Amino acid sequence: KAGVTQTPRYLIKTRGQQVTLSCSPISGHRSVSWYQQTPGQGLQFLFEYFSETQRNKGNFPGRFSGRQFSNSRSEMNVSTLELGDSALYLCASSRTGPSTDTQYFGPGTRLTVL
Amino acid sequence: EDQVTQSPEALRLQEGESSSLNCSYTVSGLRGLFWYRQDPGKGPEFLFTLYSAGEEKEKERLKATLTKKESFLHITAPKPEDSATYLCAVQPSNDYKLSFGAGTTVTVRA
Repeated sequence: KAGVTQTPRYLIKTRGQQVTLSCSPISGHRSVSWYQQTPGQGLQFLFEYFSETQRNKGNFPGRFSGRQFSNSRSEMNVSTLELGDSALYLCASSRTGPSTDTQYFGPGTRLTVL
Repeated sequence: EDQVTQSPEALRLQEGESSSLNCSYTVSGLRGLFWYRQDPGKGPEFLFTLYSAGEEKEKERLKATLTKKESFLHITAPKPEDSATYLCAVQPSNDYKLSFGAGTTVTVRA
């Protein structure tokens, strides 16, 4: 069974630009959660999507947004990039959601903002 | 606010030298406590979920235990391939999201 895939694996952007990251969950998984990982803050929850609806949201500014498609694939968008947005962005999928099922993480997208 | 504290931050072990990692937590009602392993440049890999005090789970050289305030991850006779960062996360009963600790980086020397 294929795992969670994320594209691209690496991205370099400049301040002020916007970026879109993609996540394909494990087949049959309908929940996708996004996390930001930095050395200083660790892993922080961004948001969770289930059946194309945002079901839960962390404490991040509105520049961070996401969506989920009917095939459960999800995208995350960050607008007006700041230097502090440099991080490893991870997505995790589960069948029914993190409250009722184990989450499996993808390899992440390493975003560098210059 | 949910808090998860992992100790020590780093642990250097000799191959075969058993040790324990600690995860102490503060949460208003625990739905579950999770352990993940993360290798450099990769996403976290699921290890265990613990739901209630007294519960124990084992996988190869790893054993996780849970009390009302903390969890321990015991590594028995570690091998170099056990070198990784071990992350603990808690999920409160009234929320979906996981709150992660900062992790313990384990290095096992041959």
